[in-house]
Amino acid sequence: QKEVEQDPGPLSVPEGAIVSLNCTYSNSAFQYFMWYRQYSRKGPELLMYTYSSGNKEDGRFTAQVDKSSKYISLFIRDSQPSDSATYLCACGGNTPLVFGKGTRLSVIA
Amino acid sequence: GAVVSQHPSWVICKSGTSVKIECRSLDFQATTMFWYRQFPKQSLMLMATSNEGSKATYEQGVEKDKFLINHASLTLSTLTVTSAHPEDSSFYICSAHGQGSEQYFGPGTRLTVT
Repeated sequence: QKEVEQDPGPLSVPEGAIVSLNCTYSNSAFQYFMWYRQYSRKGPELLMYTYSSGNKEDGRFTAQVDKSSKYISLFIRDSQPSDSATYLCACGGNTPLVFGKGTRLSVIA
Repeated sequence: GAVVSQHPSWVICKSGTSVKIECRSLDFQATTMFWYRQFPKQSLMLMATSNEGSKATYEQGVEKDKFLINHASLTLSTLTVTSAHPEDSSFYICSAHGQGSEQYFGPGTRLTVT
């Protein structure tokens, strides 16, 4: 079992939809969790960083962490075509970040 | 967020030559930087952890003599691909720790070896 599991998609939604992206992890030692957005041929861009269970909101983005079930989510409200990208979850502790494989998202106008 | 730059953004080289890629943290000091490679439609693969003033720590299966890493200052780490071959063609991305535990990535360097 990989340490961080993420459905690669692709996921295609209409503009304005609410998008839900998810990852599961197996290592209880992970203490912080991040979501990155990566456009084609670009480096990943940090979107959200959370340290504990609960929700964190930033504009149209909400990150959710449930440590009891080892489940992390990213919600995108009012999705836009410009949100089309690959979204990577990452988990960290005292070791280098472990990334999910990334979910390719397409938002169709 | 913190800014990390990479240079060059893309490079084409002939087989057998060496290529150096620079990673800089522009507005913060980074004692630790990371080097990743990414193949098309694949996730990031950690190659090595670069520590300022000490030897890099390489992941299993990564040849340290082929991928030379130097972290001479708190704002600069370099990756040199020695005797490059076509199978080394990939997207190389560096990252650096910010003040907390978050990691900021550079824009990546696309290497093509002909």
